[in-house]
Amino acid sequence: NAGVTQTPKFRILKIGQSMTLQCTQDMNHNYMYWYRQDPGMGLKLIYYSVGAGITDKGEVPNGYNVSRSTTEDFPLRLELAAPSQTSVYFCASRVDRVAYEQYFGPGTRLTVT
Amino acid sequence: AQTVTQSQPEMSVQEAETVTLSCTYDTSENNYYLFWYKQPPSRQMILVIRQEAYKQQNATENRFSVNFQKAAKSFSLKISDSQLGDTAMYFCAFTTNTGNQFYFGTGTSLTVIP
Repeated sequence: NAGVTQTPKFRILKIGQSMTLQCTQDMNHNYMYWYRQDPGMGLKLIYYSVGAGITDKGEVPNGYNVSRSTTEDFPLRLELAAPSQTSVYFCASRVDRVAYEQYFGPGTRLTVT
Repeated sequence: AQTVTQSQPEMSVQEAETVTLSCTYDTSENNYYLFWYKQPPSRQMILVIRQEAYKQQNATENRFSVNFQKAAKSFSLKISDSQLGDTAMYFCAFTTNTGNQFYFGTGTSLTVIP
């Protein structure tokens, strides 16, 4: 199992550009999450999904969009990138069981200049 | 609203000694789950230990144990026999019974000194 994979690992965007961060998991998990981690801070939830076709907002959804057409994939779309979106982005997934442990991807470091 | 607070931005400990990291949280829920995650310089998030709020017994995983005080809404992590590989950021996290949203603290940077 590859676990949770994210692409790209690094990206530099210009202000106003758009991009999609890819996230794929091969563990057949229904629950998937997108977080951002700003320097020296904890993780903030952007969006989450409880299964294919079902998504919902987290704490900091503004400026982002998601879709979940398959169990495996949960892409995060940034529209009109702004410097405030400079961050490290983590994707995670978890099993349905009450244990609630999340498996994290390696992260994408995004810089908007 | 749920919040998680880690009041120690940085800590250090001598190798082989014991250190305790603090975490408090706020929730009106009765059933929930608490976690400690480790983030080494590689940036990979690694689960250290978890605690289910309905269990009174404190969780233990090898050198890692927690002190869970439900009434005080406190969830501290004790690392015994500290090793150099324990050097990392440690995040306390919380989720409710639905597990839909997770809340993380701001982290404690732990340095183990040889």
